[in-house]
Amino acid sequence: NAGVTQTPKFQVLKTGQSMTLQCAQDMNHNSMYWYRQDPGMGLRLIYYSASEGTTDKGEVPNGYNVSRLNKREFSLRLESAAPSQTSVYFCASRDGLRDTQYFGPGTRLTVL
Amino acid sequence: DQQVKQNSPSLSVQEGRISILNCDYTNSMFDYFLWYKKYPAEGPTFLISISSIKDKNEDGRFTVFLNKSAKHLSLHIVPSQPGDSAVYFCAARTQTGANNLFFGTGTRLTVIP
Repeated sequence: NAGVTQTPKFQVLKTGQSMTLQCAQDMNHNSMYWYRQDPGMGLRLIYYSASEGTTDKGEVPNGYNVSRLNKREFSLRLESAAPSQTSVYFCASRDGLRDTQYFGPGTRLTVL
Repeated sequence: DQQVKQNSPSLSVQEGRISILNCDYTNSMFDYFLWYKKYPAEGPTFLISISSIKDKNEDGRFTVFLNKSAKHLSLHIVPSQPGDSAVYFCAARTQTGANNLFFGTGTRLTVIP
């Protein structure tokens, strides 16, 4: 039982490049989330998926797209990376019974 | 506008003493509050939570207190241990929408042996 896994752990991009951050959970949770964490700030919600087949914008969605591929996987795509997207990205899934979110280890992204 | 605030960026405590981490919130619609602990290069891990219908929840060395009238909660760790050294995030949730969490900026706790 790996919980929430994310790949890659680290990534360096040049401005304008694209990439997809992968997230998978093996806890059979319905809801999944993407957050970003910046220095001096709390985690902020980018996008979420309440259930398979649905996605919605969070607090800071601009510059990102998401895909809920199936119940396990929720990916985050940067179509044209910008330096302002340099951040640590966390994926989470929600245990509806315990009303708690479980987080992956994060992806540290640098955009030059 | 930050709806969840942790005004102390850091806190140092001697091993064996009590650690008290504070959190304030502004949104009266928040009905559920959580504390997460985060070590470097890892994701946040759930520590303890409290519903707005309670004013205290205890789990071993960790106790969370909620004062709804003051829109304030605190996490008490007794006794503090060096392994508790981490960044602690307060988070709050409303029942509407995504059930997503609103996070504070975190408090870095250092427990000195």
